[in-house]
Parts: sequence; C-alpha cells; structure tokens
Amino acid sequence: EIVLTQSPATLSLSPGERATLSCGASQSVSSNYLAWYQQKPGLAPRLLIYDASTRATGIPDRFSGSRSGTDFTLTISRLEPEDFAVYYCQQYCCSPLTFGGGTKVEIK
Amino acid sequence: QVQLVESGGGVVQPGGSLRLSCAASGFTVSTSGMHWVRQAPGKGLEWVALLRYDGINEYYADSVKGRFTISRDNSRNTLSLQMNSLRAEDTAVYYCVKASGWLMHYWGQGTLVTVSS
Repeated sequence: EIVLTQSPATLSLSPGERATLSCGASQSVSSNYLAWYQQKPGLAPRLLIYDASTRATGIPDRFSGSRSGTDFTLTISRLEPEDFAVYYCQQYCCSPLTFGGGTKVEIK
Repeated sequence: QVQLVESGGGVVQPGGSLRLSCAASGFTVSTSGMHWVRQAPGKGLEWVALLRYDGINEYYADSVKGRFTISRDNSRNTLSLQMNSLRAEDTAVYYCVKASGWLMHYWGQGTLVTVSS
C-alpha cells in the first residue's frame, strides 16, 4: 500500500500569499497518477489537479502541481478568499487507492 | 453534465445491512469505472471500492472486503453499494464517484450512514 503523508497539517496564511502544500509518497507513484482535491465544509471534494500537474477543467491557473521523485507539491500562487479549505492528495496508480491526511489552509 | 445523486443512507444497528444507491445522469455507468469513497465525521477521505468500466473487475479496501459489494444496474443507470455486517467504524458520509480510468473525477453530494445501537 502506498502511504501518502501531507504536510503541514495546517497552513495559516493571508489572502494574496503563496501556499505550498506537500505530499510525500512511501514508494513510487507510477505514471504520475497523483491527484489533488479541494474540500470545503459540508461539500464533496472537487478535483483540482490530476496526473501530478494537469489542472482539471475550470480550475484557475493560480493552482499548479509538480513532482520531484516521490514528493509532490500543490502550489496556490496567490490565495483568494475562496481557496481557504482542506486539500487532499491521492494516488490512483495502485490498489488500494490511498489519500493523504489532508492540509487545512486557514485564514491567518 | 455529469450528475450523481446518492441515496439509501440512514441509521442502522451494528451487524445490520444497508444498500446505498447512486443515480447517474449525463453519462452511462455501463461504460465508466465507478468508486465509492467515504469520510467519517471530522476525518479524512477513505477509498472504499472500485468497479471497473467492464463491470467485472472489482476492488475493495481491506477494511470492507468480504462485507461490502459494489455493483451496477445498467438499465437504471445506477451504482450500488451493499453493506453487510456493519460496524461503528463504518459510520461516514459515502460518496459515489465517476472515474476516468481510476481517477476520481466527478463526485456526488454524499449520503450519511450511521451505525449505532
């Protein structure tokens, strides 16, 4: 099973600041099959990024994803008020599919 | 556009059974892989099961293997999750998700299952 470790657990930032979220995999995630989801309270998760770096339809370009070995990063270049939420990474290369524990981006 | 509407959640006693349904529109389940994903109250996301597009290959999390069964009804364009031998730790919001390959692409709004005596 691929274990995904997200850090930090909580990120306290102000609107306009840059957010950098990390997701470390316990082993290689083949074919870059890693996704990022955003979840707001009481709502279902929304797909932001897939294949490690491809934005889903309708996702603003302030969201970007990257990979370095077994480490993945989600960057929000300039936080908008609607970006404060919980973010999950998830691998879909291998069963069992697994999620990271989540990073909460909160208003400072 | 793609829409997924879950139903069938509720309160059930430990050891009981429940069947969740997911009504799909905007696409046909017979040609799409489908997942169930759950989220315990205040916790993170946990993948539960995947039914591949072929309708034959099924995959389950170890935590539900042997107790849960994923299936689909092509004529009604619905996905189901039969849950047996329910435990307190199965309490969660259950989401139906349309897959692209194995990617969890489109999510329903979820249905709450509470296992309690």
